[in-house]
Amino acid sequence: AQTVTQSQPEMSVQEAETVTLSCTYDTSENNYYLFWYKQPPSRQMILVIRQEAYKQQNATENRFSVNFQKAAKSFSLKISDSQLGDTAMYFCAFMKLGANSKLTFGKGITLSVRP
Amino acid sequence: ETGVTQSPTHLIKTRGQQVTLRCSSQSGHNTVSWYQQALGQGPQFIFQYYREEENGRGNFPPRFSGLQFPNYSSELNVNALELDDSALYLCASSSRQNTEAFFGQGTRLTVV
Repeated sequence: AQTVTQSQPEMSVQEAETVTLSCTYDTSENNYYLFWYKQPPSRQMILVIRQEAYKQQNATENRFSVNFQKAAKSFSLKISDSQLGDTAMYFCAFMKLGANSKLTFGKGITLSVRP
Repeated sequence: ETGVTQSPTHLIKTRGQQVTLRCSSQSGHNTVSWYQQALGQGPQFIFQYYREEENGRGNFPPRFSGLQFPNYSSELNVNALELDDSALYLCASSSRQNTEAFFGQGTRLTVV
């Protein structure tokens, strides 16, 4: 079974600054995906970024980038130039490759961006 | 906004009652997954449907059941509601070829 751990319950950052959200996971699988999802007060889960475990290069999407350390089973999200609209809960999630794929989520972290 | 829609958005039920939640998947998606998100927690996988068959189940009792229809829309049924069933229920649709799951806005169920 897979587990995903987000140990920071909440963080706060000043607008325009950079913040890093931490995530660790545990799995015996070798082929899998890792995700960061954003959940604003509207409740809808929105995919922020995805990382394939077989890729050594860290994924980037505009202001969002990850630091994927496969050996350490660590997957952190860096948000650059934070914006007020980034205020939300952020969830780290794991999915193994293959049939019956499901997402295993961490407990989430509440990020507040201060004006 | 994704093409996944859930109904109703909010619901209040009494302990012991039964409830049905509905989800319309995004066009072209044949896989639907349901998740339960308790307050302050991450979503927990309930089950997944692929081409009208259950295709994996999480650690939930049999009183949680589901259906998928030929148009790939889906229902989640919960019998004998308990207070702990109060949560946000999320539906996500995806295709076999793409790992990205698109979520609906959820149904907030309150059991009193």
